[in-house]
Parts: sequence; C-alpha cells; structure tokens
Amino acid sequence: EVQLVQSGAEVKKVGESLKISCKPSGYLFTTYWIGWVRQMPGRGLEWMAIIYPGDSDTRYSPSFQGQVTISADASIGTAFLQWSSLKASDTAIYYCARHVYDNAGYYPDHWGQGTLVTVSS
Amino acid sequence: SYELTQPPSVSVSPGQTARITCSGEKLPRQFASWYQQKPGQSPILVIFKDEKRPSGIPERFSASSSGSIATLTISGIQAEDEADYYCHSGDSSAGGFGGGTKLTVL
Repeated sequence: EVQLVQSGAEVKKVGESLKISCKPSGYLFTTYWIGWVRQMPGRGLEWMAIIYPGDSDTRYSPSFQGQVTISADASIGTAFLQWSSLKASDTAIYYCARHVYDNAGYYPDHWGQGTLVTVSS
Repeated sequence: SYELTQPPSVSVSPGQTARITCSGEKLPRQFASWYQQKPGQSPILVIFKDEKRPSGIPERFSASSSGSIATLTISGIQAEDEADYYCHSGDSSAGGFGGGTKLTVL
C-alpha cells in the first residue's frame, strides 16, 4: 500500500526559514516523481513543484519558482520543501503527492495527510 | 502556468446525475485527472488519463474529454459525494489545477 507521511504542523514568524518533509512507503522512492501542492485557507489546490528522486530533476510552477525549493534525499527516502524567508501569505496546508507520468504530463495519484504551516508577524 | 476553469458550484438532488466541466486550451494535447476533497481531508484521485478510474472508486464516477473541455460525471448521486472536485492537467514542464467545484447534494 502506498502511503506518504508528512512532518507535523509548524508555527513560524515572518522572515524565518522552514523545511518540511514527506516520507513515502510502499513503492521504490527513486522511480516516481514526487511533488508539493499548496492549499491556502478556504481556497483551492495549487500545483507547486515536483522532483524525480532518481536524478534530482525538478519542475516548478512559474508561480512558485524562486519562492520555494524542492529537494529529495534518496538515501533516506524523503522529499522536502523549504523556504528561506517566510511570508504571512505562505500560511497554508501543504500536501505532498506522488506523481505519475502519463506520456503527456504528470498527475498526482497518492497524497500525504498535509502539513499546516502558519506564519505570523 | 496552467489555466483550467471550473464552475464554482453545482447542485443536484440525490439519485440524479452531476456533471462538472473543466476547460483549458491545452486539454486537447494533455490528459485530465480529477480529485475529490472532503472538508478536512486530503484530495483523492477519482479519474486519471481523461477517463480511467482507479481501483476502489465507484463505477458511478466517469469522465470524458473532448477538445478543450473535460467533464466529470457522477451518476446516482449520493449524500457522501458532496465534496469539492478539482481537475488537473499538465505537460512535461508543469501542472495545474482548476479552481475547484463545490458539489452540493440537495
């Protein structure tokens, strides 16, 4: 059974850095893309970025390029999303999701439980 | 970024059929997938590759795609189908979600 377990909720202040994690199980970590999706309070899903842990190849949405960094450590089978300087507008739930390539693009098939990030001033 | 447009809301009575559309100029060249999200829960994949249903998803969920419009159809609506539904599509460089449709079962 495929499962993705994310790190716990975070409460941070504006300007602080943060790194959240996602550890999948039930499949070979290095053979699927894995990515992050943002959901701001009361809002819809926003696709952020994906990474292929096998070679660390990455794809970013133009909306998030330069705002966050996606990474993966194949030795511990974990994906990460990090911020160098948080803004209040980064307050959201962040979902990690395994992505499947369908010969045209990538789509999320299995999702983590979400990590709530709250950023206050 | 990927632009996909969905109606904000759809309302149907139990037992009826709900249709949720997703429009995007790149859909003729890309597959669409659909997700169900209930309050406080993570999204669940209900349709992939335009029309395929993952194991465990009820047969009343179906979908199609024609030109720039993908459509999710839920037949024999049940109270438990009340949720937000999102379409997704993407190419080899990025992906995107529609704004979401709130399905209300009257």
